[in-house]
Amino acid sequence: DGGITQSPKYLFRKEGQNVTLSCEQNLNHDAMYWYRQDPGQGLRLIYYSQIVNDFQKGDIAEGYSVSREKKESFPLTVTSAQKNPTAFYLCASSNSENTEAFFGQGTRLTVV
Amino acid sequence: KNQVEQSPQSLIILEGKNCTLQCNYTVSPFSNLRWYKQDTGRGPVSLTIMTFSENTKSNGRYTATLDADTKQSSLHITASQLSDSASYICVVRSWGNTDKLIFGTGTRLQVFP
Repeated sequence: DGGITQSPKYLFRKEGQNVTLSCEQNLNHDAMYWYRQDPGQGLRLIYYSQIVNDFQKGDIAEGYSVSREKKESFPLTVTSAQKNPTAFYLCASSNSENTEAFFGQGTRLTVV
Repeated sequence: KNQVEQSPQSLIILEGKNCTLQCNYTVSPFSNLRWYKQDTGRGPVSLTIMTFSENTKSNGRYTATLDADTKQSSLHITASQLSDSASYICVVRSWGNTDKLIFGTGTRLQVFP
């Protein structure tokens, strides 16, 4: 089945620890995105990548890092520098033209 | 500033009734507008995508409209079902080298029997 897969679905982290969220797609999409969703707010863009080995900061990149070594994979690392990391994280991918973005099922990160 | 505003914030209707959700945007330059359905704790799923030249598009019981002049869109749900309970998110894509999607905060719809 073609699609976009995020793992894990739930993640708990202690304060001061880095954690990496996985996002894999087999849709052959060039562009991949990471969003953060908080209650009562729209999705906010963290990082995006339009091509392998290239990525750009979104609106709220501080405290996050990404890599795009393969077309299929766009992992997000939440570092200890992120002051309020507890949130629902969504990964998406799309073709470079005017087609829909496909979303993963999300990872809920909780800092304990 | 590029913004997407949705109304109402939340809506409760009875099963079988129709409803209309609104989306106003100030995004420029405009590329396309999408409506997504997001179940609680899940990723959004696309319902429709509309470009500048389209003013109505249907997907089963969902019908989206777009008025590019007034920068407004609506999503009409006909004969609602319990499974329609979800958040509906309006997303506008802007042209440019940032290739950005601007998300509304969504309308939370609850359908009761």
